Amino acid sequence: DQQVKQNSPSLSVQEGRISILNCDYTNSMFDYFLWYKKYPAEGPTFLISISSIKDKNEDGRFTVFLNKSAKHLSLHIVPSQPGDSAVYFCAASSINFGNEKLTFGTGTRLTIIP
Amino acid sequence: DSGVTQTPKHLITATGQRVTLRCSPRSGDLSVYWYQQSLDQGLQFLIQYYNGEERAKGNILERFSAQQFPDLHSELNLSSLELGDSALYFCASSGTGEYQPQHFGDGTRLSIL
Repeated sequence: DQQVKQNSPSLSVQEGRISILNCDYTNSMFDYFLWYKKYPAEGPTFLISISSIKDKNEDGRFTVFLNKSAKHLSLHIVPSQPGDSAVYFCAASSINFGNEKLTFGTGTRLTIIP
Repeated sequence: DSGVTQTPKHLITATGQRVTLRCSPRSGDLSVYWYQQSLDQGLQFLIQYYNGEERAKGNILERFSAQQFPDLHSELNLSSLELGDSALYFCASSGTGEYQPQHFGDGTRLSIL
């Protein structure tokens, strides 16, 4: 049972444009959502997170949006840069239910075209 | 650099053997998590320790065990290894307080021959 889904295995975006990565979840007990970036031969790097009491969180070029009614979150990267080319994972946990384990999506490979 | 250190980076061994993977969390982090990433699967949670005590368990096999020591480093022990145990094993740590992100090490790649 895939509780966190990233339906796009890959995405290509022109340098300087906006990259939008999407993630859907099915477990209504999830209350903390995170995005990680992963380069080959490295561990996932934390990018940005959002708790369920918010619907938007920004950090520099990265913004995460959360739509609880649709059980959907998205990551916006503006402007996209060549160094953003990587695999992006969304993850979720149920902090307020005492469950800190992360449930990951299968990832989206983002390629930024110079 | 996430501040989480995992050793060794690579491990090659044979079926039936036992190995130990080591993780040093970020300075000050009390929680340590272990995840497995197999070729055909995403990152799967194995187990969590908090300040030396087991806090949560995922689908961890009985052949696998872990512990967290007083200096907060953690070890994941894998025994009676099978070909299907070949995977990347990641350790993560997080601070105390609400909504703390987990920070990951670069993993140990385990290859069973």
